[in-house]
Amino acid sequence: GAVVSQHPSRVICKSGTSVKIECRSLDFQATTMFWYRQFPKKSLMLMATSNEGSKATYEQGVEKDKFLINHASLTLSTLTVTSAHPEDSSFYICSARPQGQGQSQPQHFGDGTRLSIL
Amino acid sequence: AQSVTQPDIHITVSEGASLELRCNYSYGATPYLFWYVQSPGQGLQLLLKYFSGDTLVQGIKGFEAEFKRSQSSFNLRKPSVHWSDAAEYFCAVGVTHSGYALNFGKGTSLLVTP
Repeated sequence: GAVVSQHPSRVICKSGTSVKIECRSLDFQATTMFWYRQFPKKSLMLMATSNEGSKATYEQGVEKDKFLINHASLTLSTLTVTSAHPEDSSFYICSARPQGQGQSQPQHFGDGTRLSIL
Repeated sequence: AQSVTQPDIHITVSEGASLELRCNYSYGATPYLFWYVQSPGQGLQLLLKYFSGDTLVQGIKGFEAEFKRSQSSFNLRKPSVHWSDAAEYFCAVGVTHSGYALNFGKGTSLLVTP
């Protein structure tokens, strides 16, 4: 089945550091990938839609300059949390839908990245 | 905008008992609906999906869900729960304005007792 790999699975770093999270589709190509954020005991909230070769589309309230998204190829999207602060600590999950599949088809999720900012 | 509501934050059932997790959606047309399961610290696994056709859909791990337009519901069921089913369950709907990203409910935490 379709596999999405997310790296790293966990990162702990100091306040002010920039952190890059990678989302790779291993056995399919994805024109569109999605980035979600999950707070403890909370649901997943869509942050942005990542489009290969173009700018990401951010949801209302998500800071574009804080959460930089790059989707340079059909198999890789990256989320960079710039100048991270403790309030950015969260569980970040990416997903991807295979290219050519209809929008009713499910997305495939990575295993998430636990980000902890000290 | 499309949204889903999961009325139950926590549910506790005995192992071997039946299970029903509730999900109500808000959308005028036929929505694309999904149920996902998440184990602690893990990503999401798709249990089943509905977008058209037969309103009773079968999923993995013995789960099924029934789409009821008259009740705007898409409840998840399992006839006999196993201890390994303890997890967080999310109902989700595809959102048209964001390329069919998912709008998730707040989740229902399932506890299975011996």
